[in-house]
Amino acid sequence: NAGVTQTPKFQVLKTGQSMTLQCAQDMNHEYMSWYRQDPGMGLRLIHYSVGAGITDQGEVPNGYNVSRSTTEDFPLRLLSAAPSQTSVYFCASSRGRQTVSSYNEQFFGPGTRLTVL
Amino acid sequence: GIQVEQSPPDLILQEGANSTLRCNFSDSVNNLQWFHQNPWGQLINLFYIPSGTKQNGRLSATTVATERYSLLYISSSQTTDSGVYFCAVGDRGSTLGRLYFGRGTQLTVWP
Repeated sequence: NAGVTQTPKFQVLKTGQSMTLQCAQDMNHEYMSWYRQDPGMGLRLIHYSVGAGITDQGEVPNGYNVSRSTTEDFPLRLLSAAPSQTSVYFCASSRGRQTVSSYNEQFFGPGTRLTVL
Repeated sequence: GIQVEQSPPDLILQEGANSTLRCNFSDSVNNLQWFHQNPWGQLINLFYIPSGTKQNGRLSATTVATERYSLLYISSSQTTDSGVYFCAVGDRGSTLGRLYFGRGTQLTVWP
C-alpha cells in the first residue's frame, strides 16, 4: 500500500490564483481530513469527510472547498489564494468507526508546502 | 473543542540521555496519538494510545485517561530523535476521527 499520498509537494501561487491540492489513500478508509500547519503551532483542521459524498467544516474552513466523490480521493481547493494561506497542508485518513477503537488511528500524508505571494 | 497542552515546549539533550514529554487534555478522549515530525516535515505515527501503556524499542507511552494526561518516554536518545513531538486527541463528543493537536515539544539531541 502507498498509504496517503499528496501532490504537489511544493507550490508557489500569486494572490488571487486558484489551485487544487490532491490527496489519495489506498487503504479503503472512510474518514479523510485536511489540516494546515503554521509555524510554532500544531495542526488545525480545515475540512473533513466521513465518507463519499459527505463533508463538513473544521476549525479553519474559510477560503477552502472540498468534495468527496470517491472513497479514495479528497481534494482541497483554494478558490482565490491569499498570503494568509501560506502554510504546510497535510491530508490524513482513518478507518473511522468509533466502535472499534483502533479504527480511529489516523495516518498522514507527506504534506504540501504552499507559498502565496 | 478539546484543549491539548504539551510540555515542555523545548528540550535540549545530550545523546544517551532520557526524557519525558507530557500531554494534558481537557476532556474525555476516544483517540490519543503521538507523532514525531522529522526535520523534513514528515509526520510519523509513534503510538495510538487512548489508554494504557505501549512500548516500541526505546520509546514508550502511557495514557491515564481518567486523569487526562499522557506521557511519552524516550530512553537513550539519539540525534535522529530530534524534531517536534506532537500529541493529538480525539474528543468523545465530537465527530469521529477529528483530532485536536497540541503545539508540540521541540526536541534537539546533540552528539
